Amino acid sequence: DAKTTQPTSMDCAEGRAANLPCNHSTISGNEYVYWYRQIHSQGPQYIIHGLKNNETNEMASLIITEDRKSSTLILPHATLRDTAVYYCIVRAANDYKLSFGAGTTVTVRA
Amino acid sequence: GAVVSQHPSWVICKSGTSVKIECRSLDFQATTMFWYRQFPKQSLMLMATSNEGSKATYEQGVEKDKFLINHASLTLSTLTVTSAHPEDSSFYICSARLRDTDSNQPQHFGDGTRLSIL
Repeated sequence: DAKTTQPTSMDCAEGRAANLPCNHSTISGNEYVYWYRQIHSQGPQYIIHGLKNNETNEMASLIITEDRKSSTLILPHATLRDTAVYYCIVRAANDYKLSFGAGTTVTVRA
Repeated sequence: GAVVSQHPSWVICKSGTSVKIECRSLDFQATTMFWYRQFPKQSLMLMATSNEGSKATYEQGVEKDKFLINHASLTLSTLTVTSAHPEDSSFYICSARLRDTDSNQPQHFGDGTRLSIL
């Protein structure tokens, strides 16, 4: 069963912020939201994760709505190297398995 | 930190041969490692969970006698595809979870092994 819903694809302009939405309306109280990305022919790269507070690191920001039913990954200044498939995954803290959906194919254009 | 290395990056072999793929955590100890498979234009599918010192746990539909997993140390897990056939051609990816960390900490992935069976 898919726990998250993401748009199939998005185009972003180089140098602009990229906002990637994710819907997880059935999320449970002990489940975290994780974001990974996969550049073509490589393994997934961890980006960020959060429970209920907004999070920021050197790669991105994660904004989680107050009801936790959706979140947005923000890449502040998209570059061509950010072109990848982005996966939003919900996982309980004590369940280490990751279930990958189809993700969002993000294409950054010059 | 948290680097996971896979070897080989790609392999081409004849049908019927067995192929071993290594997954190493380079700068940390991994209690648990995971093996995924990804067919072209599809998402990653978890094959099995590998725990150091114990038998691997396989996902439904994955043949344990076909995909042998060994996790002999806290830094190394191996996946052996036995008697490989063309339908086993795929992108195999491992990930690792740091030992003794908060349970919400992320998995870190290797760069994958592209397996082509002729």
